[in-house]
Amino acid sequence: EAQVTQNPRYLITVTGKKLTVTCSQNMNHEYMSWYRQDPGLGLRQIYYSMNVEVTDKGDVPEGYKVSRKEKRNFPLILESPSPNQTSLYFCASTRRVAGGDEQFFGPGTRLTVL
Amino acid sequence: AQSVTQLGSHVSVSEGALVLLRCNYSSSVPPYLFWYVQYPNQGLQLLLKYTTGATLVKGINGFEAEFKKSETSFHLTKPSAHMSDAAEYFCAVSLSNSGGSNYKLTFGKGTLLTVNP
Repeated sequence: EAQVTQNPRYLITVTGKKLTVTCSQNMNHEYMSWYRQDPGLGLRQIYYSMNVEVTDKGDVPEGYKVSRKEKRNFPLILESPSPNQTSLYFCASTRRVAGGDEQFFGPGTRLTVL
Repeated sequence: AQSVTQLGSHVSVSEGALVLLRCNYSSSVPPYLFWYVQYPNQGLQLLLKYTTGATLVKGINGFEAEFKKSETSFHLTKPSAHMSDAAEYFCAVSLSNSGGSNYKLTFGKGTLLTVNP
C-alpha cells in the first residue's frame, strides 16, 4: 500500500530537549516536505527536499532542521524545541504527474513542548 | 507569489442540504488548485484538483468544484450533505510553472464543515 508514515504520532517533551520526527514514503517520490498546522493558520511549509541531499527552507523554517540521506526518508529535527513549536506536523510526499503534482500526506505528529 | 482565502472558518448545514465552501486565490501565473479534506485525527486527503482543461472538476464523495478565472475562485460544492462529510476542508494553490523549484502548496486557513441531523 502506497503511504507516508510518521513517527511518533504523539510526543510530549520539554523545552530544549532535542527530538526527531521521522517520515518515510514507499512511493519512490523525489520531492518531500514538512508542514505544520496551527488553528486558524492552516498548513505552512517548514522545509522541502527536491531529492537526496537537496533541501531548502519553506515559509517557517526557524528552529527546525531536516536531512535527506535516502530518497524514502525525510526526518524533521528540532535541536532545541520551544513551546511555540507545539503544533501538528505533517510530512508530505509529491507525485509528479502531467497536469499537476499531487501531495500525499502522512497521518500527522502532534507535538507538545512544555 | 500565491495565496488562498477561504471565506468562513465554520460552515454548518443540515443533512441533505447543499454544501458550498468558498475559496478565492491569488496567483501571478496560471494556478493549480486543490481541495483537501481532513477528518478528525487524520491527515489530509485529496478531494479534487484543477490543473488545465475542463473548469468543472469532479472529485471523490460527490464533491465538485468550478474554476472561475474571472472571479479567481474555486468554490467546492456538494448537492446533498451527509453526516460523514463533517470534516475540515482546505483549499490550496500551487504554481503551474514551478519547473525545478519548490512545488509548495499554499493552503487556506481551512473551513470546518458541520452537518446537522
